[in-house]
Parts: sequence; structure tokens; C-alpha cells
Amino acid sequence: AQRVTQPEKLLSVFKGAPVELKCNYSYSGSPELFWYVQYSRQRLQLLLRHISRESIKGFTADLNKGETSFHLKKPFAQEEDSAMYYCALYGLVGGSNYKLTFGKGTLLTVNP
Amino acid sequence: NAGVMQNPRHLVRRRGQEARLRCSPMKGHSHVYWYRQLPEEGLKFMVYLQKENIIDESGMPKERFSAEFPKEGPSILRIQQVVRGDSAAYFCASSPVPGQAVQQYFGPGTRLTVT
Repeated sequence: AQRVTQPEKLLSVFKGAPVELKCNYSYSGSPELFWYVQYSRQRLQLLLRHISRESIKGFTADLNKGETSFHLKKPFAQEEDSAMYYCALYGLVGGSNYKLTFGKGTLLTVNP
Repeated sequence: NAGVMQNPRHLVRRRGQEARLRCSPMKGHSHVYWYRQLPEEGLKFMVYLQKENIIDESGMPKERFSAEFPKEGPSILRIQQVVRGDSAAYFCASSPVPGQAVQQYFGPGTRLTVT
């Protein structure tokens, strides 16, 4: 079974501080991993995906297969980064169907 | 493009009533996905539909829940004889091409409360 774990329900940092949102996964094959973000009063939207290896809004995430992690990082947090962040894994479930599985989310608060 | 639309945004039903949740995908998208988010939980896949076809309903509860995506009109998620445990946020997403690995565009969600 595939599983996505975000161990921190809440994360609070000060503006300008580095931030790391943790994501660990359990999956037997080669996963595709995503980070989604939901800003206050807005809908869920894709932030980045590991296959594109891009940096969006200063955020990066590296897939570490050895540690089965896909942590989201930003060197200098901004107040506008305050949002709910969800890690998601796309993989084969039950041998026949591909699914997008979400973690429970981490609420990031960036304080001035 | 107005994005994925869902209505109503909030729905209150008494136990035993029916709930109908609507989702209009983005223009040009013919693939729709429904997710449920229970309190304190992540989003959980329910069903994947294309126009007039259910592609994958493996995440749907076996009873009381059904979904459709007709040729014309929005996708409908229907919950019959609602119970308190159905209280959750229901999100719809759409994509222009098949498969869940492509970017999905999410609606604002419908928050269902069963009293």
C-alpha cells in the first residue's frame, strides 16, 4: 500500500528563516511525487512535482529514494508563504489502479 | 477561464436525506476526479470519471455513494441517506488529459455537514 506521511501538522517560522516541510512516503515502485499548496481562502493548487526538478516561488524538493523522502525547502521564508501544504504520491494501488495519495498536510505560518 | 466550479460551497443535511454535489470542470477538461477530506485527514481519492464513463471508482464507499459525469452538464456526486460520518469536505478536480499524474486543477470544495 502506498502511504504519505507529513509528520508536522503545524510549522511556524520567522520571515527570512529557512523552512523545511517534511514528507516521507511508502511505495514499492518508482513514485511520482508532488507538493500542493492551499493559501487562505483559495483552492488547492500544484506547487511543484519532482519530475520537473524546478523551483517555484523559491521552493525546491528533492526526491531521496534511500530515505523515501520528498521534503519541501525554501532558504528564506516569506509571509506570503503561509499556507497549508500537502505532499502527494502518484502510484499503483491494488495492482491495477493508479492513485494520487495525499498526506494530511502541514500548516505553515511565517511570522513577521 | 473560471476554473473548476463546485456548488454548493456549503451543504447542510439531516441524517437520512440525500446530498448532491456538483462539479463543473475547467473549459476543455473532460476528466473529473472526486476527493473526500475528513476532519484532520488528507484528501482521499473517491472516483475518476470521463464524460459518460466511470473510469475508476475504487475509492467510493460501496453503498449510498454514486457519481456521474453526463455528456452535458456538471459531474454529480450523490450521497443517499447521509449519516454523520459523511460530514467532510468534498473536492473535485479536473484535467485535460487522462491519468492522475498530470496536473489536476481543483475546485474550492463543498463542505457537507450532516446534523
